[in-house]
Amino acid sequence: TQLLEQSPQFLSIQEGENLTVYCNSSSVFSSLQWYRQEPGEGPVLLVTVVTGGEVKKLKRLTFQFGDARKDSSLHITAAQPGDTGLYLCAGAKETSYDKVIFGPGTSLSVIP
Amino acid sequence: DTGVSQDPRHKITKRGQNVTFRCDPISEHNRLYWYRQTLGQGPEFLTYFQNEAQLEKSRLLSDRFSAERPKGSFSTLEIQRTEQGDSAMYLCASSFTSAGREQYFGPGTRLTVT
Repeated sequence: TQLLEQSPQFLSIQEGENLTVYCNSSSVFSSLQWYRQEPGEGPVLLVTVVTGGEVKKLKRLTFQFGDARKDSSLHITAAQPGDTGLYLCAGAKETSYDKVIFGPGTSLSVIP
Repeated sequence: DTGVSQDPRHKITKRGQNVTFRCDPISEHNRLYWYRQTLGQGPEFLTYFQNEAQLEKSRLLSDRFSAERPKGSFSTLEIQRTEQGDSAMYLCASSFTSAGREQYFGPGTRLTVT
């Protein structure tokens, strides 16, 4: 059972375009992290959100945690080829604080 | 660089052989996690340690998989009698107890079983 779903699974866009990827669950999470992973490497932590409705910005990336803490979105403005990678969301459940569950990821390709 | 390191980065082995992977966490981190990742999927939790104690191992894929962290520093993951289905990326991550949700990953070990 996939507790975290991500959409779209694949996304290919032109440099300069905007995009949004989504992370959804029927479960409530105490916190949610976004990671970016390049081929052959481990995931790199981008941000953690913990409060329902929270919005965090990291340069051209905007992360939002849903009010009910069941979903999150990542918006990228003016995508660059360097944004290419697999974007993973990961949630820590309230009832299992120590264990983090990963979604399947959104594979983003930004074409110059 | 004081990030998480893993060794080897790549391992090719024949079916039936045993393999062992090593992970050196960030030195101040007391939690260490092992994950498996297959192509097109997110990391799948296997087990984790707090210091030298293995607190969760029910998700280890079979009794062929075992992990140790004898002195609360580095950890090893062993797979006995490897099968082709074990081919995957094995990732290690570490964190502080108080911020266990934020994990810092190593580069992974890519295992290929032929």
